Amino acid sequence: QVVLQESGPGLVKPLETLSLKCKISGASISDNNWWSWVRQSPVKGLEWIGKIFHTGNSNYNPSLKSRATISVDTSKNEFSLRLKSVTAADTAVYYCVRDQGLISYMDIWGEGTRVTVSS
Amino acid sequence: DVVMTQFPDSLAVSLGETTTVNCRSSRTISYSSINKNYLAWYQQKQGQPPKLLISWGSTRESGVPDRFSGSGSGTEFALTITNLQPEDVAVYFCQQYYTTPQTFGQGTRLQIK
Repeated sequence: QVVLQESGPGLVKPLETLSLKCKISGASISDNNWWSWVRQSPVKGLEWIGKIFHTGNSNYNPSLKSRATISVDTSKNEFSLRLKSVTAADTAVYYCVRDQGLISYMDIWGEGTRVTVSS
Repeated sequence: DVVMTQFPDSLAVSLGETTTVNCRSSRTISYSSINKNYLAWYQQKQGQPPKLLISWGSTRESGVPDRFSGSGSGTEFALTITNLQPEDVAVYFCQQYYTTPQTFGQGTRLQIK
């Protein structure tokens, strides 16, 4: 059974960097999957942030204007999200998700972690 | 970006009845030459993450009851739920993965009448 678990601060100050990790259990990050971050807020709904392959190849949502960086740590079987220069608009529940491919659907979701941007 | 629009925004249906959630994309999300529809449906219950129900427009995920079915192609898609059960109360989302960025519909809230 594949389980994804997000971790990271629940509160981030405006203009600082949001950092989250996703630990993968029951599968290897080096399997033939991509790994995504998705966020959900009442204002924007579900928004795909970006995805990464274990080789480091990545793909991002242009709407984030290059503020997002996703990385992998194969030794820890986890991947991470950094989102810089955050504002209140970045307040959301952040999910890490297994993606079946570069052009594919998302089949396994973590429970999500709520991040609030506030001073 | 491909805009996904769902309708209606909410539904109230009696137990045992059949209902349909519709999803429209702003451009085609199908490759007719290979008969592929790049659309997924998700179910999200209160306080839980989304759960994949259907991929490729009509392929049910393992373990999903056959009361759930997906249909459509091009720009018009539908999720049909027959014999509605109490556990089907949720918000349903469609998502296109035809092009980057992947985009989601705004969601349709399903309640029991």
